[in-house]
Amino acid sequence: GIQVEQSPPDLILQEGANSTLRCNFSDSVNNLQWFHQNPWGQLINLFYIPSGTKQNGRLSATTVATERYSLLYISSSQTTDSGVYFCAVATDKLIFGTGTRLQVFP
Amino acid sequence: DTEVTQTPKHLVMGMTNKKSLKCEQHMGHRAMYWYKQKAKKPPELMFVYSYEKLSINESVPSRFSPECPNSSLLNLHLHALQPEDSALYLCASSSTDRVNEKLFFGSGTQLSVL
Repeated sequence: GIQVEQSPPDLILQEGANSTLRCNFSDSVNNLQWFHQNPWGQLINLFYIPSGTKQNGRLSATTVATERYSLLYISSSQTTDSGVYFCAVATDKLIFGTGTRLQVFP
Repeated sequence: DTEVTQTPKHLVMGMTNKKSLKCEQHMGHRAMYWYKQKAKKPPELMFVYSYEKLSINESVPSRFSPECPNSSLLNLHLHALQPEDSALYLCASSSTDRVNEKLFFGSGTQLSVL
């Protein structure tokens, strides 16, 4: 089946810093989504982005489907950005990546 | 209203108990999902319902029994669980079960099996 790897696995930032999270996948996909799981377990859908670039406030995402990767950019990070970031891709079903655990300190 | 509601938020049960997890959405979505998430791992798909019919069962043990009484409700009935079934159980919904749909998740039920 398709493999979805995220890097880095862990990231520690000070408030105000910028970061880039990466998602690599091993096969062509029909769907790519980025999620943020907060410390209480809630998964929030950040982007639906099978290709191209999208921006939402301090967050933006770019997917290069032909090269099988996606990037999530977080600018001016805040403590509320802490949690785990998952990318998820779909061929016949949605598969979650390994996740990046982000901690933002004041 | 873009909310998926799950109850209860926490559940502790013994291995001989029978309990149910509930999920509700009022977005008019016709596909609903159960995912299981162990600590520090990504969510894993268990079941998919499409138009109230079970369309995907990811070889889940029969001690987990899903039910979709109507288009807004999804239940997961639990019986004779094992301690290794302790996990966060997440419900999700989407407009249809096509793989290119955006998923909306509930906040989950944290289950502990003693």
